[in-house]
Amino acid sequence: GAGVSQSPSNKVTEKGKDVELRCDPISGHTALYWYRQSLGQGLEFLIYFQGNSAPDKSGLPSDRFSAERTGGSVSTLTIQRTQQEDSAVYLCASSFERSSYNEQFFGPGTRLTVL
Amino acid sequence: GEDVEQSLFLSVREGDSSVINCTYTDSSSTYLYWYKQEPGAGLQLLTYIFSNMDMKQDQRLTVLLNKKDKHLSLRIADTQTGDSAIYFCAGTGGFKTIFGAGTRLFVKA
Repeated sequence: GAGVSQSPSNKVTEKGKDVELRCDPISGHTALYWYRQSLGQGLEFLIYFQGNSAPDKSGLPSDRFSAERTGGSVSTLTIQRTQQEDSAVYLCASSFERSSYNEQFFGPGTRLTVL
Repeated sequence: GEDVEQSLFLSVREGDSSVINCTYTDSSSTYLYWYKQEPGAGLQLLTYIFSNMDMKQDQRLTVLLNKKDKHLSLRIADTQTGDSAIYFCAGTGGFKTIFGAGTRLFVKA
């Protein structure tokens, strides 16, 4: 079946502009995650959605970052007034959480470059 | 909270064994995972181990878990050039999975 998809695959923007990154999770997956992967860095957790519960936003680096998940499916990560340090690969993952076992299925990522 | 640490680079010759090491802090992690990331792609689950196990073997992969030292390792036997990738160790503490920084494996022909 279809995996996690993300769009766009690449985004180049100018400093100060807003950007929107989209994630389509695997159908039926209740949990959705956003991560940021900077060059030479590990995965930085950004935000987590689970069903109808309030999202865990504890990883968002600043108030310029926000995310929403509509209808328990598609998610959009928005970065306002982008800065050069926002340049990174943004990865989305989804999972069907049953217990403490939690395999996450990742999309290919969106590479964001802020000039 | 959980913290996961791993070395950043490992270089091996084709045909040799690779051992990637990881340490974690949260002893309540019930599952520990190894993910693989190939160039330009997202992460993909490679294998996992339940916390009450000491070892798990899956073809060329062997996972060893030392709960006392909170140390996890991934051994790849007969390493091939196709194994060149970044390998992430991860642990689940509650619902949140915490990933290490990733170990970049270079395989020299």
